Amino acid sequence: DARVTQTPRHKVTEMGQEVTMRCQPILGHNTVFWYRQTMMQGLELLAYFRNRAPLDDSGMPKDRFSAEMPDATLATLKIQPSEPRDSAVYFCASGRNLLGYTFGSGTRLTVV
Amino acid sequence: SQKIEQNSEALNIQEGKTATLTCNYTNYSPAYLQWYRQDPGRGPVFLLLIRENEKEKRKERLKVTFDTTLKQSLFHITASQPADSATYLCALVYSGGGADGLTFGKGTHLIIQP
Repeated sequence: DARVTQTPRHKVTEMGQEVTMRCQPILGHNTVFWYRQTMMQGLELLAYFRNRAPLDDSGMPKDRFSAEMPDATLATLKIQPSEPRDSAVYFCASGRNLLGYTFGSGTRLTVV
Repeated sequence: SQKIEQNSEALNIQEGKTATLTCNYTNYSPAYLQWYRQDPGRGPVFLLLIRENEKEKRKERLKVTFDTTLKQSLFHITASQPADSATYLCALVYSGGGADGLTFGKGTHLIIQP
């Protein structure tokens, strides 16, 4: 089965450091999402791309977060500088149009 | 803003019975409503999608209903098995204006007891 690949699986970093998370969507999928999951807030949409163009990043703290899709095989989510409140599991998902989406296994980020 | 409500308490069901999970939303109806399953330490897995003009959708032991008048979707698992134990998330998809990302509920933890 095709899968969405996220790296790294786990990341522990010190407050103030830059964090980069990467996602390889499924080939042929034209929609890519970044989500953050915490116990308190559940899954929160951070950014959303269609055909590599950013469509919605209203859920993302713009002063420290940035999301890009430099090509169809790579999506990145950067946090600079990182803060302890950014600790969460970050998921990437891809799909075609409005149908069911495939999620990656997530990056568990801990900022100390 | 849109609010999605799923029962935050765990749902305990005896094996073999039908499990029914509820997803309620406020404001306007989505174009699609989706259900996902999430196991600990893993990403959500897509199960079923139902469109706003559909009343019911089935897949094997799963059934989803969508009532836009009640602003509610029900998710049923018949002949439940311990392997069905997981957290189930509903998600709404809105279409129009380009910002049609998925909005998720917080999920209901289902426990099927043997």
